[in-house]
Amino acid sequence: DSGVTQTPKHLITATGQRVTLRCSPRSGDLSVYWYQQSLDQGLQFLIQYYNGEERAKGNILERFSAQQFPDLHSELNLSSLELGDSALYFCASSPSTASSGRFFGPGTRLTVL
Amino acid sequence: QQQVKQSPQSLIVQKGGISIINCAYENTAFDYFPWYQQFPGKGPALLIAIRPDVSEKKEGRFTISFNKSAKQFSLHIMDSQPGDSATYFCAARGGTGFQKLVFGTGTRLLVSP
Repeated sequence: DSGVTQTPKHLITATGQRVTLRCSPRSGDLSVYWYQQSLDQGLQFLIQYYNGEERAKGNILERFSAQQFPDLHSELNLSSLELGDSALYFCASSPSTASSGRFFGPGTRLTVL
Repeated sequence: QQQVKQSPQSLIVQKGGISIINCAYENTAFDYFPWYQQFPGKGPALLIAIRPDVSEKKEGRFTISFNKSAKQFSLHIMDSQPGDSATYFCAARGGTGFQKLVFGTGTRLLVSP
């Protein structure tokens, strides 16, 4: 158990809908990262937050957004969902932006029908 | 230049054999090379990592070999066990500022009994 929690575990929704994925980092970790894992693309970095502020963006679509709250939990919002958004979404945390390690949560499996 | 190329895509090894997974990179600014292990339904977990100032790191049955001049590194799993069956990702991190972790595409390892 990495100490990172993610909810929900599974999410099934329809195209065009909006969903919110939630992540609680390990106790004491200030950095949160979001990754998308699909079968053909491996682990793709989406976005990073550090202590409430956005620090880096990766391959995140404009339909997606995230935020980190004062209690350090983070939410990833996915809107106007398309079939191709079906994937595993992982949250990871680390103590700081300079930390080498990433502690991954169990993921949220999103299925868009 | 930010890519990490991983091979093979899948690997079948007999119990007791040696599993070898290879990765190559281009960006000489990378300074940290971790390997992650992912079991089905779980998030990736840090397995072992190496920095480029050493050529080899061993932890139990897992060894990373690092060739700085060739810009290649590999994971060796000695005495492979069925419990090692998982997907393995190599990664690389480095450069100034944001410490982005770039992942390889993953190798699905199956250790047959």
